Amino acid sequence: RKEVEQDPGPFNVPEGATVAFNCTYSNSASQSFFWYRQDCRKEPKLLMSVYSSGNEDGRFTAQLNRASQYISLLIRDSKLSDSATYLCVVPERGLDTDKLIFGTGTRLQVFP
Amino acid sequence: EPEVTQTPSHQVTQMGQEVILRCVPISNHLYFYWYRQILGQKVEFLVSFYNNEISEKSEIFDDQFSVERPDGSNFTLKIRSTKLEDSAMYFCASKSSTGDEKLFFGSGTQLSVL
Repeated sequence: RKEVEQDPGPFNVPEGATVAFNCTYSNSASQSFFWYRQDCRKEPKLLMSVYSSGNEDGRFTAQLNRASQYISLLIRDSKLSDSATYLCVVPERGLDTDKLIFGTGTRLQVFP
Repeated sequence: EPEVTQTPSHQVTQMGQEVILRCVPISNHLYFYWYRQILGQKVEFLVSFYNNEISEKSEIFDDQFSVERPDGSNFTLKIRSTKLEDSAMYFCASKSSTGDEKLFFGSGTQLSVL
């Protein structure tokens, strides 16, 4: 069974802090990886894609370790608006995003 | 940014009743999906739909579920005889092509079965 595992948190951090989440996946054939953000009772929204070793977008950095089958998401200089649940998502088949396997998500709460 | 639209936002029904959840995918998209999320649990794949037929379905998507694209714009999920355990948030999603990584999700329909 192909699974995606995450620490559910919550991670409670002050504004300006750096926080990192990890995610492990079981399908060694996975080729692409995604971090989605989900606000309470809203739809998931794509935050970042990771295909090779990593990706950086502003305050967000995603890194991939294929040997250990984990992906991380680093958020620097946390903002109150970063409070959300961060979902690690892996396609069931390689690069094909037709069927996505979601982790349970890691909840982040940024406080003033 | 273009949006996937879902209606209704909330649906309350009695156990055993039929419900139809409606979605209007982004107009030039070709691939359509339904996912669901039971409260407090992970988002789960239900079904994918392309070229007017189901491409793949999960174990959850049993004979009580069906999908349809009746008029070229709407994409519907029907649950024939709802059960208590069907209570969940149902998300529709679409993407433009097979090489496109980005799924656009609708805001969801919260289904409550009483």
